[in-house]
Amino acid sequence: QVQLQQWGAGLLKPSETLSLSCSVYGGSLSGYHWSWIRQPPGRGLEWIGKISQSGSSNYNPSLKSRVTISIDMSRKNFSLKLYSVTAADTAVYYCVRGVEMATIGFNWFDPWGQGVLVTVSS
Amino acid sequence: DIQMTQSPSSLSASVGDRVTITCRASHSISTYLNWYQQIPGKAPRLLIYAASTLQPGVPSRFSGSGSGTDFTLTISSLQPEDFATYYCQQSYSALMYTFGQGTKLEIK
Repeated sequence: QVQLQQWGAGLLKPSETLSLSCSVYGGSLSGYHWSWIRQPPGRGLEWIGKISQSGSSNYNPSLKSRVTISIDMSRKNFSLKLYSVTAADTAVYYCVRGVEMATIGFNWFDPWGQGVLVTVSS
Repeated sequence: DIQMTQSPSSLSASVGDRVTITCRASHSISTYLNWYQQIPGKAPRLLIYAASTLQPGVPSRFSGSGSGTDFTLTISSLQPEDFATYYCQQSYSALMYTFGQGTKLEIK
């Protein structure tokens, strides 16, 4: 059973860079895409972006100018960097696996990492 | 972007009740619709994908239906562990995934 374990700094000051990583256990990175999703306290879910095994990435346009997602196949992990953070970036950040049915393109998120609360405060 | 709107935003129900949550897409998304359950303090969990396919391990009291712009999640007989927040998510636009705002299901 695939499990995602994520880690990173939980307290940042405005203008700093958020950096999180996610390791994949019990399965391969190949054949899936890998996303980051965030959830501000008491609010809903926002997709940040995704990366494939080839390194091809797509980002939410609202965050695209500040986001980089990378993948390391040899270490079986992928990472998120969000630059120039503000208080509005305070959220629980989840790493997730994207599963796709190749023939018809249905895709969904499963499983999810445990989540890391990142707080931006001066 | 494809906007997803859930209704109601919150719902009170009793154990044993039948409950239906609605999700509407701003554009037709065929059946590219997934449902997740989130218990407070936990990560979301996939319940249903492709509008109506139950994820293995999910109880059969959960079901999904719909296509195009209108979708429903039904819980046939509420159990105590079902009180949570439910989110729909469209995967039609694979370059920009979006979620509904959530429906919080509370005990009456």
